[in-house]
Amino acid sequence: AQSVTQPDIHITVSEGASLELRCNYSYGATPYLFWYVQSPGQGLQLLLKYFSGDTLVQGIKGFEAEFKRSQSSFNLRKPSVHWSDAAEYFCAVGGAGKSTFGDGTTLTVKP
Amino acid sequence: DAGVTQSPTHLIKTRGQHVTLRCSPISGHKSVSWYQQVLGQGPQFIFQYYEKEERGRGNFPDRFSARQFPNYSSELNVNALLLGDSALYLCASSSHPPGTGEETQYFGPGTRLLVL
Repeated sequence: AQSVTQPDIHITVSEGASLELRCNYSYGATPYLFWYVQSPGQGLQLLLKYFSGDTLVQGIKGFEAEFKRSQSSFNLRKPSVHWSDAAEYFCAVGGAGKSTFGDGTTLTVKP
Repeated sequence: DAGVTQSPTHLIKTRGQHVTLRCSPISGHKSVSWYQQVLGQGPQFIFQYYEKEERGRGNFPDRFSARQFPNYSSELNVNALLLGDSALYLCASSSHPPGTGEETQYFGPGTRLLVL
């Protein structure tokens, strides 16, 4: 069965600092991997996705993620965080409209 | 272009009642999936429909059912509501058939259901 672990429930960073959100997955085959962002009371917005090819993927809003098969990880990074990035971030595995999500990481940005 | 739309945005029901949630996918998208997101957790897959056929079902009781209409819109029905059904219900649509590869989903804003 596929599963996703996001080890950090809550992360606080200062505005302008770099960010890394961790995601570990379990999946039987080559995974489809996604990162989504959710602002309070909102639906999910897709930040980026990995299906195959280059293991470093670029997304919207300056985010990137690196797929590491040997570590079963797909960590999300951003070099300089903006106050508007404060939100909840979800990693998900699996496609075909049946994704399995982690429980999310809440990002707080300090001024 | 309109994204995925869901109605209603909020709903309050009492235990034992029935509820119907509605979803309209992005124009041209034939695949619709439903997810339940309980407070503090990630979304959990409930159903997927493609071309009006059920293509996947998550680990939810039979009280949960869904259907997809010829215009690809969808309804999620929940019978005999329990307190634990209180959640944000998300609908997502995709332009690709299940199992074809690039199956990016686009999510609606959700319907927040409160069961008292």
